[in-house]
This record gives sequence, C-alpha cells and structure tokens, in this order.
Amino acid sequence: DAGVIQSPRHEVTEMGQEVTLRCKPISGHNSLFWYRQTMMRGLELLIYFNNNVPIDDSGMPEDRFSAKMPNASFSTLKIQPSEPRDSAVYFCASNHDGKGTEAFFGQGTRLTVV
Amino acid sequence: QQQVKQSPQSLIVQKGGISIINCAYENTAFDYFPWYQQFPGKGPALLIAIRPDVSEKKEGRFTISFNKSAKQFSLHIMDSQPGDSATYFCAASKGQNFVFGPGTRLSVLP
Repeated sequence: DAGVIQSPRHEVTEMGQEVTLRCKPISGHNSLFWYRQTMMRGLELLIYFNNNVPIDDSGMPEDRFSAKMPNASFSTLKIQPSEPRDSAVYFCASNHDGKGTEAFFGQGTRLTVV
Repeated sequence: QQQVKQSPQSLIVQKGGISIINCAYENTAFDYFPWYQQFPGKGPALLIAIRPDVSEKKEGRFTISFNKSAKQFSLHIMDSQPGDSATYFCAASKGQNFVFGPGTRLSVLP
C-alpha cells in the first residue's frame, strides 16, 4: 500500500484566499484524522471521521475551517478565508478502529499564508 | 485531563549514549501509549507502544518504561545513533482519542 497520500505537499497562498487540502487514506481504513502541527502548539487534532461520518470536530478552530469525507477513499480540509495564523503543517492520518490502534500519518501539507 | 506532558523539549546525546524522554498523563482512562518518531519533512511514524498491563516493553534499542501509579512513561534509546536524530512524540489514547505530547527534538552527535 502507498500509505496515506496527501496533496499538495506545499501550498503558498495569499491571505483571504480559499485553500483546500486533500487526503487519501489507506485502503480498508475506516477512520480518518486531520491534525495541525505548529511549533507553538504541537500536534492538534482538528477533526476525526469514522465510516465517513464526522465524530469529533471540537478541534476545528473556527468556522473558516471545514472538512468533508464524501467517501471512504477521500477527504478534504478547506480553509476559507485563509489567514497568516493558519500557516502550519497539516497532517492526515488513518486507521481501522477494529484492527489495532496505530494511526498512520501522511507526509503532510505545509501551508504558508502570506 | 486530556493533556500529555513531555520533557525535555530538546536533547543532545553523543553517539553510543542513552537518550531518555519522559511523559506524564492525567486521564486514567487512557489505555494505549505509543511513541512516534518524526523526521524532517515526514509525518510521524509509530516507533513502539505499550499498554498499561505491562511495565516495560523493549524492541531492539528502544524501550518503554511504564509506571501506572505515577501516570508516567518514558522512552529509552540505547546506543543512540546519528540516524536516531528526529523529533519524538509520546501519546496517550483511549479508543480513537489520541492526545500527543509537545515533542522532543533529539540530536545525536557523531
């Protein structure tokens, strides 16, 4: 398996623009997580999906952030409008809730909002 | 209650030395304690994990020591190598609720 695939790897955008980050989880996994990593706050869980349904979105910072999982093989995290403080590395991770607890991470998307 | 504390923030060790990273948690409901290793430009990857029914788990040069009563656990890297230089995250989880520590940047000098 190719692992969790995220795109793009790097994104530079201007403040106020819409940004969409994409994730393809490992085939067969039924849980998907979006994390944000910054030097100041470390790894923060933004949202967790199980069987394509959002289970916990308490970590989504504000209404500018939204996430969808239209099917088992694709998820998006959208920021609209983006702000410089959104600059971070965003990770997607997946696992199967009935087959162990390890979360497999993608390589991340480094977002820079100028 | 959800917080996981980790220390030190950074660590410099000579090649062949022992690297020790400590973590503490508050929520006694946590039942799975993994350590993740992250290299620059990569996502975190599981290194080793322990459940609270054992006090120690060893895999090669990596050992987790777990103290349930103190709600503390630590990672020991024996014979540290320059290739071990990375950021290490401890975590605690219950089901799909993962809480990560802030990370320790380890540098192993040749």
